[in-house]
This record gives sequence, C-alpha cells and structure tokens, in this order.
Amino acid sequence: EADIYQTPRYLVIGTGKKITLECSQTMGHDKMYWYQQDPGMELHLIHYSYGVNSTEKGDLSSESTVSRIRTEHFPLTLESARPSHTSQYLCASSELGVATESPLETQYFGPGTRLTVL
Amino acid sequence: GNSVTQMEGPVTLSEEAFLTINCTYTATGYPSLFWYVQYPGEGLQLLLKATKADDKGSNKGFEATYRKETTSFHLEKGSVQVSDSAVYFCALSDPGGSQGNLIFGKGTKLSVKP
Repeated sequence: EADIYQTPRYLVIGTGKKITLECSQTMGHDKMYWYQQDPGMELHLIHYSYGVNSTEKGDLSSESTVSRIRTEHFPLTLESARPSHTSQYLCASSELGVATESPLETQYFGPGTRLTVL
Repeated sequence: GNSVTQMEGPVTLSEEAFLTINCTYTATGYPSLFWYVQYPGEGLQLLLKATKADDKGSNKGFEATYRKETTSFHLEKGSVQVSDSAVYFCALSDPGGSQGNLIFGKGTKLSVKP
C-alpha cells in the first residue's frame, strides 16, 4: 500500500487567496509529481522533481509553483487563486536509481485535493 | 512522439459481463506499460503492469498482455462486478523523456450495473 498523503482533501476558497496544497510521502522516493485532472478525467503533468532542490515544469503550463526542501515533502502553491484553477490536483511519487521489484517508472498516487475557487 | 490511445467511454456493462478496454501506444525503445484505476473520489492506484514484450500483467481478475507486434496492451476481465465501476487509465513509461515520467491515456469510465 502506498504511503502518500495529500491535505486538504477538499478546499473551497475565494478568488485572490493564496493557497498551498500539501503532499507528503513516507516511501523515501526521490521523484515526485503534481498532476491536474480536468472534469473529463484527463491527467496533465504540471510539475515534477528529481529530489531535494530540484523542480521541473511539466507538460501543461501552470501558474502554480512548487518547492522541494525535504525528500518527503512536495507542496504546491497558488499565489492568487482564480476560478480557472478549479480542478482536482493529484500528487504522486516514484523511485529513481536501481530497479527493485517494480519498474522504476511505477508511480504511487495520493488521494487528491479537490480545489474550488469561487 | 510517444503517445497512448485508449478507447473512449463511458462503457456500461451488466454485472458478470466480459470487459475489454483497448489501449494502443506509440513509442520508441522499450517502454513499460501500466494500467491504473481511479475509484470515485480517490487518487489513481496501480492495477497491473508489464515491462517487456509478451509479459502478462494480472491483478484482481484483470489481465493485460504486452503485444509489441500490435503495440497494444488491452485490459480484460472475464466477469465484472459493480465494485469495478471506476475510471481506467493506460500508461507507458517515456523511454526518450525524463526518467520516471509516464504518458497517460485519457481514461475510460466504466459503469457496471447490477
């Protein structure tokens, strides 16, 4: 069972507010990801990280920012939320380095944060 | 570039019916292939995987075989249950891209009626 956590699970907030979505994993994984999932269920990679002090932009441009100060923690921040940011946000992690039982690319997902900006 | 195409949904079946969700891919090199499942209100869970041609992944009665000759990884289950209602995503590793990144299909929603 994957040990990756996201808080809050649901967030309703007004336009212009600053928000931070939390993601933590206890598996010691180096690589972490943020996805945005639209109502049609399609997943869009918005950020990823190879490890501490590493952050990369994903395939979908996003106004959000991320940081990776600790291996286990990968928060996502929106400085000024807008209704267009309303979506489901999913965090995931995977290993890097020597393969073990699963392919290195196997990603483990958190339960998601459903964000609504009014 | 690398891509995944899976059948569009929604798919509606009666309990105990046979399920097939088609997935085909385009990739250079030798990607690993995955099926993930997302139950309502939850994140994605790994359902099964295959790392090389002719490998068969299986879990919870679901199966998929890595077919390099047809570039396919179709998901099958012989007898679906109401509890299988979920969104299913086919994915492949991106051998030419960033290590660890996956390319996901658009998802297929399955509804199973009693």
